[in-house]
Amino acid sequence: EPEVTQTPSHQVTQMGQEVILRCVPISNHLYFYWYRQILGQKVEFLVSFYNNEISEKSEIFDDQFSVERPDGSNFTLKIRSTKLEDSAMYFCASSPKSRVGYEQYFGPGTRLTVT
Amino acid sequence: AQSVTQLGSHVSVSEGALVLLRCNYSSSVPPYLFWYVQYPNQGLQLLLKYTTGATLVKGINGFEAEFKKSETSFHLTKPSAHMSDAAEYFCAVSAGGSQGNLIFGKGTKLSVKP
Repeated sequence: EPEVTQTPSHQVTQMGQEVILRCVPISNHLYFYWYRQILGQKVEFLVSFYNNEISEKSEIFDDQFSVERPDGSNFTLKIRSTKLEDSAMYFCASSPKSRVGYEQYFGPGTRLTVT
Repeated sequence: AQSVTQLGSHVSVSEGALVLLRCNYSSSVPPYLFWYVQYPNQGLQLLLKYTTGATLVKGINGFEAEFKKSETSFHLTKPSAHMSDAAEYFCAVSAGGSQGNLIFGKGTKLSVKP
């Protein structure tokens, strides 16, 4: 069964460094999402992406964050200058459609630790 | 704005006992509701969803949930717990925007005792 994959599973970085989290969505999906979960808190929406541009973004998704689909298969989340509070589990998701109520398929997550 | 509250961050049941995980939502528009499960070191997997129509929704692994508009609830149940049900369960509501991004509860960790 097709699945969303994410790499790396765990990333440790120093404060101020740039990180790129990678996701390979399911191949025929068109809509892509990033969510994050700070330890002990809710899973929070960051951004949605369709047709090579951002569709929606939350307040969390500030200028330090960017997303890209560089080669038609990967979907990346870049954090330019990491802060301690960026430490979280980051989930990528994809969906064949964006219609409200349609299922999103999630990857296993990347645990980002900022020291 | 939409929001989700899951009562109980940790629920423990005995094998064979009823599982009841509670979820209440707040939504200014007709909600689309989801339950996801996360097994250790895995991604979020959809258990079931409510969009429109029948209010009792059946999902995978014997789980079901009932949408009760008057109570703004979408509780998840399973008649008989199995050891393999031990996982974290997330209730979510669709935000209602054009892209349908999800708003999650904090999750409930289910433990099953032998």
